[in-house]
Amino acid sequence: DTEVTQTPKHLVMGMTNKKSLKCEQHMGHRAMYWYKQKAKKPPELMFVYSYEKLSINESVPSRFSPECPNSSLLNLHLHALQPEDSALYLCASSHLGMGAHEQYFGPGTRLTVT
Amino acid sequence: DQQVKQNSPSLSVQEGRISILNCDYTNSMFDYFLWYKKYPAEGPTFLISISSIKDKNEDGRFTVFLNKSAKHLSLHIVPSQPGDSAVYFCAVSRAARQLTFGSGTQLTVLP
Repeated sequence: DTEVTQTPKHLVMGMTNKKSLKCEQHMGHRAMYWYKQKAKKPPELMFVYSYEKLSINESVPSRFSPECPNSSLLNLHLHALQPEDSALYLCASSHLGMGAHEQYFGPGTRLTVT
Repeated sequence: DQQVKQNSPSLSVQEGRISILNCDYTNSMFDYFLWYKKYPAEGPTFLISISSIKDKNEDGRFTVFLNKSAKHLSLHIVPSQPGDSAVYFCAVSRAARQLTFGSGTQLTVLP
């Protein structure tokens, strides 16, 4: 099973709303990632969790707040977003350690901020 | 400064012919190279990878070639099929750290 699931598939939110994106994997991976992808651009790394601890934050604004409740789940809490935050948000997971390079991506959440 | 470049934004190939997608990188410390395929409104799908100790890796219709001296990798798809039409991203990794993606190449396979 190489599936990463993400909910919701689509989300429209106003600039004053609070919402959360959810990601789940059951591959036993201990690294999980959030990426942001704008149209016709490559995925850009936002956050990395290793063993349920935040290990990398790529200078992401505080209106994005990640959370890793356990080794299978990853959340991204959204608050006071801007229209330019509209994008496809991708979750990925991978094994940890030397030689563990392949990341497996979910289908993404298409976010529109109005 | 772009560490990974895919200089061809698009490529069109006739069905049954070979598709060759190219990728250049700048840092010789990268030790693992991957190709992902992406359909619209879906997440990237891992296709094939190669470590820096090899120069070729094959998986069915897909072959990845690595030229370390030129800092260049390529993906060959033979024979190309209409279902292969998608955006292809190369990605590089160092010491199993985070991936850095190229800008992508839109492949269109014409029936």
